[in-house]
Amino acid sequence: ETGVTQTPRHLVMGMTNKKSLKCEQHLGHNAMYWYKQSAKKPLELMFVYSLEERVENNSVPSRFSPECPNSSHLFLHLHTLQPEDSALYLCASSQDWGGAGYTFGSGTRLTVV
Amino acid sequence: EDQVTQSPEALRLQEGESSSLNCSYTVSGLRGLFWYRQDPGKGPEFLFTLYSAGEEKEKERLKATLTKKESFLHITAPKPEDSATYLCAVQADYGQNFVFGPGTRLSVLP
Repeated sequence: ETGVTQTPRHLVMGMTNKKSLKCEQHLGHNAMYWYKQSAKKPLELMFVYSLEERVENNSVPSRFSPECPNSSHLFLHLHTLQPEDSALYLCASSQDWGGAGYTFGSGTRLTVV
Repeated sequence: EDQVTQSPEALRLQEGESSSLNCSYTVSGLRGLFWYRQDPGKGPEFLFTLYSAGEEKEKERLKATLTKKESFLHITAPKPEDSATYLCAVQADYGQNFVFGPGTRLSVLP
């Protein structure tokens, strides 16, 4: 069982909905990440939090809003998404920002209809 | 701009048929190269980190090697349970973030 847990595993939402993805890690890591994985495309880094502070925001549209209330939890708030936002959203953690060997969660499969 | 390419895009092997996956990278200075395995419906699972040309790492039927321009993941006598997508990522020495390649989807048939 991975030390990074993501919920929900699957999510279908309309373009006008608001939903949130949750990520929890029990590894004592200091850095957490959100990645987007689309079919046949490399993983795209979205956000990085180090010691609960956002340190990276890779030109992600404002309809994606991250939140890191503490070092164990990470959220991705979604609103007014587009169909092209349908993808697998992966959360990962590492001991420190840039540390080797990320631990990934199983992801949330998001479908925007 | 840092880039990672992987080949082939997909590979189908018979059980026991050894082969290699390629990861080619362009980065101004390499801090580390990472291999991950991803099963369908799951997140990537860390396999190896390589830091310098000439370095090799092994785990069961897998061996990863590194040169100044590419890395190979050699699979010896693969089994069906080795079927997965294998991802390569590089980390530049001037930053913390990783650049991932698109992956190689490996299928091992019994």
